[in-house]
Amino acid sequence: AQSVTQLGSHVSVSEGALVLLRCNYSSSVPPYLFWYVQYPNQGLQLLLKYTSAATLVKGINDFEAEFKKSETSFHLTKPSAHMSDAAEYFCAVSNTGGFKTIFGAGTRLFVKA
Amino acid sequence: DVKVTQSSRYLVKRTGEKVFLECVQDMDHENMFWYRQDPGLGLRLIYFSYDVKMKEKGDIPEGYSVSREKKERFSLILESASTNQTSMYLCASSFGGDPSGNTIYFGEGSWLTVV
Repeated sequence: AQSVTQLGSHVSVSEGALVLLRCNYSSSVPPYLFWYVQYPNQGLQLLLKYTSAATLVKGINDFEAEFKKSETSFHLTKPSAHMSDAAEYFCAVSNTGGFKTIFGAGTRLFVKA
Repeated sequence: DVKVTQSSRYLVKRTGEKVFLECVQDMDHENMFWYRQDPGLGLRLIYFSYDVKMKEKGDIPEGYSVSREKKERFSLILESASTNQTSMYLCASSFGGDPSGNTIYFGEGSWLTVV
């Protein structure tokens, strides 16, 4: 069975600081991995996804994530936080042939001026 | 741009009422989904549909039903609303075939309060 664990329900960083949001997954077969972002009062939108090509995946707004099979991790990073990055971030996993994408509980990112 | 439109952003309903949440997508996607979002629980799949008139139960289907009479439209029905169904409901869609690596496109959500 697949599962996703996001470490930390809330993360607070200063503007300009590194953003690191942690995600660990469990999957019995090679997974597809996603990060979605939800801005206040909006639905989710795709930030980036890993589909077994390059292990370092670049997404929108300078976010990137690295797939590490040995650590079963897919952490999201951004070198320099901006106030507009304040949102909730969801890690998700799916498997080949499955209709179900499993979402993590979400991490809310706060950016301090 | 892909657009998934949910007809109502905010609803207040009484316990026992029948509630309809409507969703339309404009990208000719085969797959459509209804999720429920609650704080600390993330998104939980209620039902999904991979074709017209087809539906499959997700993780929490109890108390809900769905209807997909046309490819672009997917409705969620609460047969008899209860207070524990107060939540944010998200409709979504994706391309067909093997959907595993496909991006899911979400609507803006419908906030339902049952009193």
